[in-house]
Amino acid sequence: DTGVSQDPRHKITKRGQNVTFRCDPISEHNRLYWYRQTLGQGPEFLTYFQNEAQLEKSRLLSDRFSAERPKGSFSTLEIQRTEQGDSAMYLCASSLGEVSTDTQYFGPGTRLTVL
Amino acid sequence: EDQVTQSPEALRLQEGESSSLNCSYTVSGLRGLFWYRQDPGKGPEFLFTLYSAGEEKEKERLKATLTKKESFLHITAPKPEDSATYLCAVQVRASKIIFGSGTRLSIRP
Repeated sequence: DTGVSQDPRHKITKRGQNVTFRCDPISEHNRLYWYRQTLGQGPEFLTYFQNEAQLEKSRLLSDRFSAERPKGSFSTLEIQRTEQGDSAMYLCASSLGEVSTDTQYFGPGTRLTVL
Repeated sequence: EDQVTQSPEALRLQEGESSSLNCSYTVSGLRGLFWYRQDPGKGPEFLFTLYSAGEEKEKERLKATLTKKESFLHITAPKPEDSATYLCAVQVRASKIIFGSGTRLSIRP
């Protein structure tokens, strides 16, 4: 399968614990995005990388959230001191990084439940 | 403020009953409009990209159209396997797309 992959698919944690998610983009794609999606809503942008550089972060991304993309390949999203409000689907997407219209392809998501 | 609104929120159709989903947008500069399909518990699956008003694209029973203010996703003679949430998204700059809340489509056999 050459699509976007995410790991784990599901994560249940207790409030206050740290969690880390991984995303492997489509191999030739140089842009990588993280989104959060809650029930009944569309995905909300969190952050994106052009190769290894994190170029934009949403105001939704509090200081408890950090994302990295070492060497411009896979990416990790860490949430520290999780809160119940962090429960959501976390989606990763990648794209070629075309200057004009840039189609994003999504992974299957990681469902986070904070108890 | 850039905004994407989809209607209806939910739509139930009988198998074979054609209909349309609407996506209206207010953005400062449209670079592209996307339609995705999302099944429960899965990530969005790419369907179409539309670039300019008047453009149309088709895939099986789906046809997407674009005007200067809205896009329609027409579903012709739908089948139960077309049941899903359909998401519309608008690219406002190179790095960012804004999603609507989606239309939950249910097709009864």
